[in-house]
Amino acid sequence: GAVVSQHPSRVICKSGTSVKIECRSLDFQATTMFWYRQFPKQSLMLMATSNEGSKATYEQGVEKDKFLINHASLTLSTLTVTSAHPEDSSFYICSARAPQGPGYGYTFGSGTRLTVV
Amino acid sequence: QKEVEQDPGPLSVPEGAIVSLNCTYSNSAFQYFMWYRQYSRKGPELLMYTYSSGNKEDGRFTAQVDKSSKYISLFIRDSQPSDSATYLCAMKNNNAGNMLTFGGGTRLMVKP
Repeated sequence: GAVVSQHPSRVICKSGTSVKIECRSLDFQATTMFWYRQFPKQSLMLMATSNEGSKATYEQGVEKDKFLINHASLTLSTLTVTSAHPEDSSFYICSARAPQGPGYGYTFGSGTRLTVV
Repeated sequence: QKEVEQDPGPLSVPEGAIVSLNCTYSNSAFQYFMWYRQYSRKGPELLMYTYSSGNKEDGRFTAQVDKSSKYISLFIRDSQPSDSATYLCAMKNNNAGNMLTFGGGTRLMVKP
């Protein structure tokens, strides 16, 4: 079945530095990928929709200059958390639609736990 | 009011029990319904999906949709400790792009 690979699975960074998270569709092309944020014991909150070859669409309240999204190819989207602060610590998950997948093909990565110290 | 409501739990049941997980929604434009299972510190994985009212069965899992009541359920028969996870319902409005709307998730604990 469709696989979405997310890397790294865990990262610890110092306050003020930037962190890049990669999301790859391994066996299908994804024109659209989604980035979510999840706080402990809470549901997924959609941050932005990443579109290959064009600018990402951000949800209300999400700072686009803080969370930079690049979707340079049909198999790779990246989320960069710029000038990270402790309040950015969270679980970030990406998702992509596999065209022929069940359930509309939404496949999720395994998530990245970001801790900013 | 959230578009999709889901009891956060936790729901604790003994091994072998039948589990009922539920979501209600307010947007009648939702046409596609999914259940995801999420283990701790992992991404969600698709369990069941359906677009019509009624029941859909897959092994120990049954998804039920009642569009008239805007209510969906996931039943797990013969629950196992390995079923312990957070279960998320998700819905899609086919007229609103590719976005999924998630419930808050219900944490399930199956005790041996």
